[in-house]
Amino acid sequence: DGGITQSPKYLFRKEGQNVTLSCEQNLNHDAMYWYRQDPGQGLRLIYYSQIVNDFQKGDIAEGYSVSREKKESFPLTVTSAQKNPTAFYLCASKEAVAAYEQYFGPGTRLTVT
Amino acid sequence: SQQGEEDPQALSIQEGENATMNCSYKTSINNLQWYRQNSGRGLVHLILIRSNEREKHSGRLRVTLDTSKKSSSLLITASRAADTASYFCATGNSGAGSYQLTFGKGTKLSVIP
Repeated sequence: DGGITQSPKYLFRKEGQNVTLSCEQNLNHDAMYWYRQDPGQGLRLIYYSQIVNDFQKGDIAEGYSVSREKKESFPLTVTSAQKNPTAFYLCASKEAVAAYEQYFGPGTRLTVT
Repeated sequence: SQQGEEDPQALSIQEGENATMNCSYKTSINNLQWYRQNSGRGLVHLILIRSNEREKHSGRLRVTLDTSKKSSSLLITASRAADTASYFCATGNSGAGSYQLTFGKGTKLSVIP
C-alpha cells in the first residue's frame, strides 16, 4: 500500500454522527483523492485536491467534506447529511497534477447503524 | 460517472490457464490503466497504456487497446493462485487541469490451485 496510511481500518458509528477518516501520505505527492466503493462496484470520486488549501468536488460530494491544510494530509468527514454512509473508503495520491498513476491506501471500512 | 465496464463480472480458472478480461469505455481517453484489488485492500497499479499505443507487456501481463472500438483487454498468462483478486480498468481524462480516473466495476478473478 505504498506510503499512504488510512486509519482506522474499521470504523463504526451511530446514525446522525459525523465521522472523520484519516489519510496521510509520505510520498511528497501533490494530488490526493477520496473514493467510495460499494460492494461489487467500482470506485466513485468524492473529492480531490491538487495543492494545499485547494480541493474540488468529485461525482458524489454531497454529504462529505474535506480539508487540505498540509501536503501530506487529506482527511474526509462523513457528515450526517450523507444518506448511505456505510461503504469502503479509499484514499489515493499521485505525484503531480499531470501524472497518471495513482497510489492507494489500504482503505477504511465505515459502518453506520 | 463510471465510464469503464469490465467483462466478465466474474471469472474462475484453473492455475496455469490464461485469464482474459475486457474493458469498454464511452468517450475519448488520454490513457487507460489496469489496477488490481485484493479483497478488502487498496488498489495497486498494474499497467498503463496510452491512447496512441496498441499493445503493452509487463511480465505475465499483456494489455491491448483498440480506440476505434473503445475497448481494452488484460491478459494474465500462466495464472497463479496469488492472482486471485478483482481487476479494474480506469480511463484517464483531463479536466480542470487535472488528470482524473474513472473506474469500471471490475472483474473478480478466482484462480483455483
